[in-house]
Amino acid sequence: QKEVEQNSGPLSVPEGAIASLNCTYSDRGSQSFFWYRQYSGKSPELIMFIYSNGDKEDGRFTAQLNKASQYVSLLIRDSQPSDSATYLCAVTDNAGNMLTFGGGTRLMVKP
Amino acid sequence: DVKVTQSSRYLVKRTGEKVFLECVQDMDHENMFWYRQDPGLGLRLIYFSYDVKMKEKGDIPEGYSVSREKKERFSLILESASTNQTSMYLCASSFSTDSYEQYFGPGTRLTVT
Repeated sequence: QKEVEQNSGPLSVPEGAIASLNCTYSDRGSQSFFWYRQYSGKSPELIMFIYSNGDKEDGRFTAQLNKASQYVSLLIRDSQPSDSATYLCAVTDNAGNMLTFGGGTRLMVKP
Repeated sequence: DVKVTQSSRYLVKRTGEKVFLECVQDMDHENMFWYRQDPGLGLRLIYFSYDVKMKEKGDIPEGYSVSREKKERFSLILESASTNQTSMYLCASSFSTDSYEQYFGPGTRLTVT
């Protein structure tokens, strides 16, 4: 059974701080890694994806992947109250057909 | 912009009823997916389809079936709804197996009484 684990939170950070969201996965053959943001009552929206080891930056967001440790993280710099949401980590299987989602981490950014 | 639409935002059905949930995407995506989302359990894949008339079971297919007669449309069918199928149902699509980014519809909150 493939597993993707996330701390459910809530993770509370003050406005302007760096929020660090973590995710571990069990399938060593996983190829692609995604971060989705889901506001309360809304559907998930893709914010970042990463395929290779290392860091990938997009604006205030940085995704980090360490395949040896089976670990992927999302850093949000200069956190804003509008970043308050649940962040879902998702991982593809070997064939890349299916995504397995973690349970999500609820982030709260306090003004 | 990719647009994925679902037939209903809210649905209330009785135990034993046959339920149809419909999903339509307008970006000519090959892959379509049905998930359910429950508190504490995250998103779980029910079925997916990578082509017209093709379907694959996901992690929790029991009690569900699907139909994909046209590329843009993917239906989820609950043959005999039960209370444990009360959930948020999310449809998603992606361009192809080489593009893993999935785009989600707004969701259908189904309540089975």
